Amino acid sequence: GQQVMQIPQYQHVQEGEDFTTYCNSSTTLSNIQWYKQRPGGHPVFLIQLVKSGEVKKQKRLTFQFGEAKKNSSLHITATQTTDVGTYFCAGHDSGTYKYIFGTGTRLKVLA
Amino acid sequence: NAGVTQTPKFQVLKTGQSMTLQCAQDMNHEYMSWYRQDPGMGLRLIHYSVGAGITDQGEVPNGYNVSRSTTEDFPLRLLSAAPSQTSVYFCASSLKSPQGEAYGYTFGSGTRLTVV
Repeated sequence: GQQVMQIPQYQHVQEGEDFTTYCNSSTTLSNIQWYKQRPGGHPVFLIQLVKSGEVKKQKRLTFQFGEAKKNSSLHITATQTTDVGTYFCAGHDSGTYKYIFGTGTRLKVLA
Repeated sequence: NAGVTQTPKFQVLKTGQSMTLQCAQDMNHEYMSWYRQDPGMGLRLIHYSVGAGITDQGEVPNGYNVSRSTTEDFPLRLLSAAPSQTSVYFCASSLKSPQGEAYGYTFGSGTRLTVV
């Protein structure tokens, strides 16, 4: 079945450093979604990418969808302590509507 | 708007007991899903629904049943609780795009279930 892996599993950065998490699917995705989950909280939707090669920005966050629609990345510029949490990608392959979540990347920001 | 409401927030069950986790949304969303999240882990899809009367299995459906008799409600039934079902359960809902895709999911605050 469809598998969605994320690397790295954990990342500790100093405040002000950049951070990137990568999402790789075993199958071609119709679209990709990104979520953030704060410790003890529930996932919160950040953004959806649909087109091959698409790039979207939200303030210090940059999201990319790969040309083959099998991978994606989230880059945070100049991290802040408010960026702490786990970042998940999620997607489904064409023909199903099962949204499968990636394994997640837990970000810790050291002040 | 209340969004996605899950009840109860906490529950302790004995092995073999059954129970229903409730999920309701007031946003007229077509898509609804149930996920479980084990400590330090990602979210695994249990069951999902693309509209009233339509449900399908996710990645880990064994031991769980769902039904979707209305657009608003999507209860999750544990048939005979086992310690392996100790987890945090999230319900989520989403609008359906004209192309049939889900927009971003709105999650409930979760039900923390312990089976002893």
